[in-house]
Amino acid sequence: GAVVSQHPSWVICKSGTSVKIECRSLDFQATTMFWYRQFPKQSLMLMATSNEGSKATYEQGVEKDKFLINHASLTLSTLTVTSAHPEDSSFYICSASFSSGPAYNEQFFGPGTRLTVL
Amino acid sequence: AQSVTQLGSHVSVSEGALVLLRCNYSSSVPPYLFWYVQYPNQGLQLLLKYTTGATLVKGINGFEAEFKKSETSFHLTKPSAHMSDAAEYFCAVRESGYSTLTFGKGTMLLVSP
Repeated sequence: GAVVSQHPSWVICKSGTSVKIECRSLDFQATTMFWYRQFPKQSLMLMATSNEGSKATYEQGVEKDKFLINHASLTLSTLTVTSAHPEDSSFYICSASFSSGPAYNEQFFGPGTRLTVL
Repeated sequence: AQSVTQLGSHVSVSEGALVLLRCNYSSSVPPYLFWYVQYPNQGLQLLLKYTTGATLVKGINGFEAEFKKSETSFHLTKPSAHMSDAAEYFCAVRESGYSTLTFGKGTMLLVSP
């Protein structure tokens, strides 16, 4: 149980285009979803936290207009990288968590999306 | 703010040797503690977690970790390394009442034959 998927697993796009990444909780309802960015050989950096039906809370230094997050349902959150540039190339990982129950203090991670901007 | 320190960006062991990956956290209140493993180009997989109760926690793949409040540590161990254990390991903490995780910088475990 508690499986999180991401789509696509990898994407290559041209500079200036927008890219949407989906994060789905497949077998549970996720009240909170998180988006992380990971540079090569580095740790995960939290970008934003989103709760279903409300605006995402962005971490300091993360551009809200650049990284649009939508959490429209309890099983789906999307991250849109707008007007992507080469410096946005990275590994993006989402995670999801329950609001209650024995696993409520745990985050379940997706497999990640590799974004390469040319 | 919480901080997590993983001592050693790389740890090298021989197959069959003891694995010890160190993690220290900064908090006056015991947080929830986690160890995750990441294989190349993949997401994170939970190895084990400490929430409350027994301070020695057993996880998957033969790993275990001990929460030591006096030392603010949560070191990860495995008695005998296997080649398949080669991966990046992340320690993370979550403060009670908060939903976000704070990650350490990670430790790459290298296992040689």
